[in-house]
Amino acid sequence: AQSVTQLDSQVPVFEEAPVELRCNYSSSVSVYLFWYVQYPNQGLQLLLKYLSGSTLVKGINGFEAEFNKSQTSFHLRKPSVHISDTAEYFCAVSSTGTYKYIFGTGTRLKVLA
Amino acid sequence: DTGVSQNPRHKITKRGQNVTFRCDPISEHNRLYWYRQTLGQGPEFLTYFQNEAQLEKSRLLSDRFSAERPKGSFSTLEIQRTEQGDSAMYLCASSTHEDTQYFGPGTRLTVL
Repeated sequence: AQSVTQLDSQVPVFEEAPVELRCNYSSSVSVYLFWYVQYPNQGLQLLLKYLSGSTLVKGINGFEAEFNKSQTSFHLRKPSVHISDTAEYFCAVSSTGTYKYIFGTGTRLKVLA
Repeated sequence: DTGVSQNPRHKITKRGQNVTFRCDPISEHNRLYWYRQTLGQGPEFLTYFQNEAQLEKSRLLSDRFSAERPKGSFSTLEIQRTEQGDSAMYLCASSTHEDTQYFGPGTRLTVL
């Protein structure tokens, strides 16, 4: 069975500082990995995804993530955050031959002025 | 391409009433998914359609829940005899392949 762990439920960070949101997964097969962002009372917006190929993935709004197979991690990073990045961030995993996402419990990023 | 749409965006109902939600996927997306998200949690998979065929239902989907996708286009999710524990955000997503699901804005259900 697959699972996703987001260890940090909340991450406060000052504006223009770098941030890393951690995601670890468990799977016995090859995986697809995703990061989504959710603003209050809205659906999920895709930030970036890893399907295959380069382990460093760049997404929208200046975010990037690195797939590390040996550590089963897919941490999300941004070098300089803005107030508008305040939101909930979800990591998700799926795999070839399946169709449902398994989500982590989310990390609430709060950017402070 | 207007994205995935869901209606209504908000629904308040009394315990015991039936409710129905609608999801319109991105056109030409043959796969459609329903998820449920409760406060402070990530979305949990409920059910999946490929075209009009419902291929999997989660054990979270009790017999009070039913989903349909007639003609393989829009989908409806009905909850009968609602309970307070059904209060949640119901999210719909669609895709063309097994990767990259695109989510709608969700329907927030409040059961009083």
